[in-house]
Amino acid sequence: RKEVEQDPGPFNVPEGATVAFNCTYSNSASQSFFWYRQDCRKEPKLLMSVYSSGNEDGRFTAQLNRASQYISLLIRDSKLSDSATYLCVVTLTDQTGANNLFFGTGTRLTVIP
Amino acid sequence: DAGVIQSPRHEVTEMGQEVTLRCKPISGHDYLFWYRQTMMRGLELLIYFNNNVPIDDSGMPEDRFSAKMPNASFSTLKIQPSEPRDSAVYFCASSFRGEGPYEQYFGPGTRLTVT
Repeated sequence: RKEVEQDPGPFNVPEGATVAFNCTYSNSASQSFFWYRQDCRKEPKLLMSVYSSGNEDGRFTAQLNRASQYISLLIRDSKLSDSATYLCVVTLTDQTGANNLFFGTGTRLTVIP
Repeated sequence: DAGVIQSPRHEVTEMGQEVTLRCKPISGHDYLFWYRQTMMRGLELLIYFNNNVPIDDSGMPEDRFSAKMPNASFSTLKIQPSEPRDSAVYFCASSFRGEGPYEQYFGPGTRLTVT
């Protein structure tokens, strides 16, 4: 079983729409959670961290449910520039203190004019 | 800082040839990671180093793959001999443990095509 599971999409939404992505993880010992964004033919970049209390950054809201091992990302008022692949990431810390990142395969979003 | 630097950006080679990918991490970062990305398998961690020492190479697919980090500012990933199934984008990333939330900074990647 994969560490992180995501719906690959694609999600095609009109500008201004609200869209939500979900992600589940298998290891209850996972410690930190993130959403990364990857534009076409570019490298992944950190979008936001995900906290148990939920957190918001402008039009983006991330939620974590540890009991259900579930992470979500909500994008409000979608912009054309939001078109990208969104990668769900969980971490496990090893004995050296390194956070090993486990990536989902990503959910592709296309915002349509 | 220039960010993580990778070279070459694109590599096309024939099956059986040796391929060497290069990475310069962000100055001051003490962790370096090599990933491979394909459409089918997504991003997979191959190996990572802490203070130039390989810590976990369990993701390295087979003996044809090897990685080195001779100093804090340089790492290589070598494939010998290369096979068509090695075609993928290879990313190098670095991070600094003392910085929360331990964000990894990715290089632009090397797009490898083995024919």
